[in-house]
Amino acid sequence: DAKTTQPPSMDCAEGRAANLPCNHSTISGNEYVYWYRQIHSQGPQYIIHGLKNNETNEMASLIITEDRKSSTLILPHATLRDTAVYYCIAPEGSSNTGKLIFGQGTTLQVKP
Amino acid sequence: KAGVTQTPRYLIKTRGQQVTLSCSPISGHRSVSWYQQTPGQGLQFLFEYFSETQRNKGNFPGRFSGRQFSNSRSEMNVSTLELGDSALYLCASRLAGGPGETQYFGPGTRLLVL
Repeated sequence: DAKTTQPPSMDCAEGRAANLPCNHSTISGNEYVYWYRQIHSQGPQYIIHGLKNNETNEMASLIITEDRKSSTLILPHATLRDTAVYYCIAPEGSSNTGKLIFGQGTTLQVKP
Repeated sequence: KAGVTQTPRYLIKTRGQQVTLSCSPISGHRSVSWYQQTPGQGLQFLFEYFSETQRNKGNFPGRFSGRQFSNSRSEMNVSTLELGDSALYLCASRLAGGPGETQYFGPGTRLLVL
């Protein structure tokens, strides 16, 4: 079973920030949180990951709460091309295994 | 650097046949994982290979098998195909399987079983 829970769907206006929440209350201390997205019928695309600290890259920012029970992916200026299913994943066993457990993800619809 | 490549991209088979799918990881990556994606079950982990050895396995019947070659390329095989095996099969590669490493996915092979 997925260790993470996400809202099934969200809308965002084009040009605005999209904030996608994820709960991972059972995550252990050495387990990373990863975010991927999947645009229809394509392979999942890696976005960002983190362990304890907030992270930022050219695509997004990841805010992890101090207790590590939840996180938020932020797309600062959403475009129509950001419409996709977003997956928040906490791999088993400190990420040493290749087993990513995908939940249902959040379908983000960016609207003009 | 080239990404993960998968061949073929599309495949049509009939029930009872077998199929072999191929995955070439990113250059230098030694770990390859396979996933199945169906509308009903979503994305499910099949198995992971590292240095030619299966390191982890998901909950799939023995009809699903795989292997990895010395150049890290991987194949998965499905024997005695069933209609329910119709799916998008994805492979992902990562460097060496350590903590915090990222898996990068290929475009997938779409298999249709008739």
